Amino acid sequence: GAVVSQHPSWVICKSGTSVKIECRSLDFQATTMFWYRQFPKQSLMLMATSNEGSKATYEQGVEKDKFLINHASLTLSTLTVTSAHPEDSSFYICSARRRGHSTDTQYFGPGTRLTVL
Amino acid sequence: GESVGLHLPTLSVQEGDNSIINCAYSNSASDYFIWYKQESGKGPQFIIDIRSNMDKRQGQRVTVLLNKTVKHLSLQIAATQPGDSAVYFCAVRGGGTSYGKLTFGQGTILTVHP
Repeated sequence: GAVVSQHPSWVICKSGTSVKIECRSLDFQATTMFWYRQFPKQSLMLMATSNEGSKATYEQGVEKDKFLINHASLTLSTLTVTSAHPEDSSFYICSARRRGHSTDTQYFGPGTRLTVL
Repeated sequence: GESVGLHLPTLSVQEGDNSIINCAYSNSASDYFIWYKQESGKGPQFIIDIRSNMDKRQGQRVTVLLNKTVKHLSLQIAATQPGDSAVYFCAVRGGGTSYGKLTFGQGTILTVHP
């Protein structure tokens, strides 16, 4: 149990276009989802925290108008990279905290590789 | 703010050896610590965790040691196998205004030679 999926697993887009990444908890309800970004050979950096039905909380330095997060249901959060540029190319990973369970545990998705040409 | 670092960015061992990966953290209010394994192109995979009221916890072939006095965390892997080759991250749950958020360390690349 506690499986998190992401779609797509990889995407290539042209500079200036927008890309939407989905994060789904497949077998549990997620009260909170987190979005991370990871550049090659670097660590995971938290971008934002999203709670179902409320606005996301962004980390310092993350542009909320560029990285739109929607957590419309207890099983789905989306990250939209608007007007993507090559510097946005990265590995985007989501995680989810399971409703009714310990707040300690985050279940991670497999990641989405974004390449902006 | 919170920062988490690692002493050794790369570690190369022979199959069957024991591996030790280290991590230092800065926030003394941190109360929960996790080790993750990440294989290339995949998301982090939970290995083992420890709370701040403990100093040692053992799992299958893995042991985590926590020294709160010096704010240091280590992961020991016994009888390391080629399948253990991956990047290992420590993650720390912050205290205070950062509570609930995980801060990840830089990562250590573990390479196991057959």
